[in-house]
Amino acid sequence: SQTIHQWPATLVQPVGSPLSLECTVEGTSNPNLYWYRQAAGRGLQLLFYSVGIGQISSEVPQNLSASRPQDRQFILSSKKLLLSDSGFYLCAFMIQGAGELFFGEGSRLTVL
Amino acid sequence: GNSVTQMEGPVTLSEEAFLTINCTYTATGYPSLFWYVQYPGEGLQLLLKATKADDKGSNKGFEATYRKETTSFHLEKGSVQVSDSAVYFCALDRGSTLGRLYFGRGTQLTVWP
Repeated sequence: SQTIHQWPATLVQPVGSPLSLECTVEGTSNPNLYWYRQAAGRGLQLLFYSVGIGQISSEVPQNLSASRPQDRQFILSSKKLLLSDSGFYLCAFMIQGAGELFFGEGSRLTVL
Repeated sequence: GNSVTQMEGPVTLSEEAFLTINCTYTATGYPSLFWYVQYPGEGLQLLLKATKADDKGSNKGFEATYRKETTSFHLEKGSVQVSDSAVYFCALDRGSTLGRLYFGRGTQLTVWP
């Protein structure tokens, strides 16, 4: 069966510091991969998605970036965090054509 | 465009009460519709889905019927439990190979004993 894991689960970072959140998927090949952000009271916002290695599409302009160095690895990064980057970040994958998203456990980022 | 609108919360109910969370959508083509649930401190998980008009998705006592004529996919449960307390998200997939899901804002449900 397919599984997804992301880490760290909780992160407290000062403004201006870098960020790296990592997500890995097991049990499937060539999945679509997604990064969502859930800010308080604002629902889910799609940040990035990827349909293959090295292929990243951005949904909203921001100071975050994403990379997919391997088929089942998806990384969310920032060079300098802003206060507004605080939130709950969710990685997800979809088996292509299946229509169902599987979410990781989430990473709570607090920028102080 | 594609969008999902769901009723704003929070919704507070007593145990064994009837639950309805409204969801309407706007989409091109023939989307699939989903309800996801997020328990406190966790990621989202699929609750139920429907892939075509008049389909009824069901799971754990929850039901939702895909109504194309009213572009709705309301979530219902006849008797809620304290363990149902969570945030519920309605979502649509317009069926492209990209797998782009559009989510509603989420509805917080709290059930008291």
